[in-house]
Amino acid sequence: EAQVTQNPRYLITVTGKKLTVTCSQNMNHEYMSWYRQDPGLGLRQIYYSMNVEVTDKGDVPEGYKVSRKEKRNFPLILESPSPNQTSLYFCASKPDQGAATEAFFGQGTRLTVV
Amino acid sequence: DAKTTQPNSMESNEEEPVHLPCNHSTISGTDYIHWYRQLPSQGPEYVIHGLTSNVNNRMASLAIAEDRKSSTLILHRATLRDAAVYYCILVNYGQNFVFGPGTRLSVLP
Repeated sequence: EAQVTQNPRYLITVTGKKLTVTCSQNMNHEYMSWYRQDPGLGLRQIYYSMNVEVTDKGDVPEGYKVSRKEKRNFPLILESPSPNQTSLYFCASKPDQGAATEAFFGQGTRLTVV
Repeated sequence: DAKTTQPNSMESNEEEPVHLPCNHSTISGTDYIHWYRQLPSQGPEYVIHGLTSNVNNRMASLAIAEDRKSSTLILHRATLRDAAVYYCILVNYGQNFVFGPGTRLSVLP
């Protein structure tokens, strides 16, 4: 089954403790991205990757890092999480940069930073 | 980024058709119109997309105005499972998705 898998689904952590949210897709997609969703602000893009070893900032990249060492994985790294990074996070992938391609989203990771 | 405008919310009765409108008056000739929906506690899910012609798939139909400045997502028979936030997004090559607030659809039994 074609899917984007995020782990963990829920995470509570303390300020400053480094964490990684993993994202994996099984569709051989070139393009992957991360979003955060907050009440009243909707879905906002954090980082995206057009292919292996190619990453770029989205609209709200501050406080986040990503890497794309292999095609299937695109982890989101919070080096020093802060309470304002409490949010619902979604990973997405699509075949390429084309405009006529469908994006697949993961089930989400709900992060709470205390 | 190209912008879309959607009503904040809509209501429908179960088993009746639903027409969800989207305005995109600044659309460019190469922008595709995509629709995604987000069910409660889930990630967004692809519904349909089109460029100029109307499109049909197993989930819905997409009607695109001749001048492409507006489009309508049509759910032919709404079910309770169709209650979700529906997003209309313009997508061009190499551009990232920009999600607006969408339309929250409520389906009444």
